[in-house]
Amino acid sequence: GQQLNQSPQSMFIQEGEDVSMNCTSSSIFNTWLWYKQEPGEGPVLLIALYKAGELTSNGRLTAQFGITRKDSFLNISASIPSDVGIYFCAGYPGGATNKLIFGTGTLLAVQP
Amino acid sequence: EPEVTQTPSHQVTQMGQEVILRCVPISNHLYFYWYRQILGQKVEFLVSFYNNEISEKSEIFDDQFSVERPDGSNFTLKIRSTKLEDSAMYFCASNSVGYGYTFGSGTRLTVV
Repeated sequence: GQQLNQSPQSMFIQEGEDVSMNCTSSSIFNTWLWYKQEPGEGPVLLIALYKAGELTSNGRLTAQFGITRKDSFLNISASIPSDVGIYFCAGYPGGATNKLIFGTGTLLAVQP
Repeated sequence: EPEVTQTPSHQVTQMGQEVILRCVPISNHLYFYWYRQILGQKVEFLVSFYNNEISEKSEIFDDQFSVERPDGSNFTLKIRSTKLEDSAMYFCASNSVGYGYTFGSGTRLTVV
């Protein structure tokens, strides 16, 4: 089945550092989404990308939809302690399905 | 901001018992979903529901699972005879076509 692979699996950084994580697939996705999940909570949508090549920002977050439609990255600038959580990429493979496929997640820990 | 509401937040049940997890999706959304997340793993699709019927389901969603929209606001997931491996966070989500889902905060199901 379709899979989304995220890297890195985890990151331990100092407050103020910039962070980059990415997501790749062997198949094409029509929409890429980035979610953040905090302990005991559901995933919260951060950024949605709808067109290949699209670059979108949301505050300190920037994400891009890869030209090949098989990858996406998320950057967080000037990290703060509340950025801690698990970041999931997710995508719609398109076609007749409205099912969202989730990536494996990147755990981010920020040291004050 | 509109929310997806899930109850209960935590449910403990004996193996073999039936459980019903409840959700109130966002009122003008058309698609409803259940996902689950086993501790430490990624979010997995269970089922999607549109126009009062199941539109897609995964191999996880076997005969022990059922969904229902009993009225205009609620969306429920029933597990008929729970097994230990059903222990997980269960997330309800809703969206309109082509847009990112909004997830609820989840129900932590513990089967003992």
